[in-house]
Amino acid sequence: GQQVMQIPQYQHVQEGEDFTTYCNSSTTLSNIQWYKQRPGGHPVFLIQLVKSGEVKKQKRLTFQFGEAKKNSSLHITATQTTDVGTYFCAGINFNKFYFGSGTKLNVKP
Amino acid sequence: SAVISQKPSRDICQRGTSLTIQCQVDSQVTMMFWYRQQPGQSLTLIATANQGSEATYESGFVIDKFPISRPNLTFSTLTVSNMSPEDSSIYLCSVETADYEQYFGPGTRLTVT
Repeated sequence: GQQVMQIPQYQHVQEGEDFTTYCNSSTTLSNIQWYKQRPGGHPVFLIQLVKSGEVKKQKRLTFQFGEAKKNSSLHITATQTTDVGTYFCAGINFNKFYFGSGTKLNVKP
Repeated sequence: SAVISQKPSRDICQRGTSLTIQCQVDSQVTMMFWYRQQPGQSLTLIATANQGSEATYESGFVIDKFPISRPNLTFSTLTVSNMSPEDSSIYLCSVETADYEQYFGPGTRLTVT
């Protein structure tokens, strides 16, 4: 069945360092979304990518959708302590959501 | 976007009892979902709640254990029946907008003793 894998599982960085999480699907996706969940909070929608090779930026966050629409990445430039949380990708196919396992980011001040 | 509230925010229940979780949205939405999330884990979809029809359950979840109501386009309930400690988890409802974006409620933290 459809699987969405996410790596790494955990990432510890020093404040100011960059961070990247990767999402890989076993099959081609129609869209991919990214969510952030702060500790003790609920997932919050960040962005949706639809087109092959699409790149979107939100301030220090850069999101990419692969050419084959099977993988995606989220890159954070110069992390801040406010970036702490778990980042989930969600692949969408035939109107069904497939959430990745998440990458937990810890930022040391 | 959508603003979603859930009640209760947390509860401690005895095994064998049932708990009904309510989810209220500030606007009319077609698609509502119920998820379960173990601490530190990803989201597992329990079922899709559609107004005017029976909920659609994912593999491993059955209506007798997790009955769902969807009486209108702004409200849904999930009942966790005959609870056991394995049902201890965070239960989240979410809604889907026309752009396929999902917005989640704050969650209900359930502990079964």
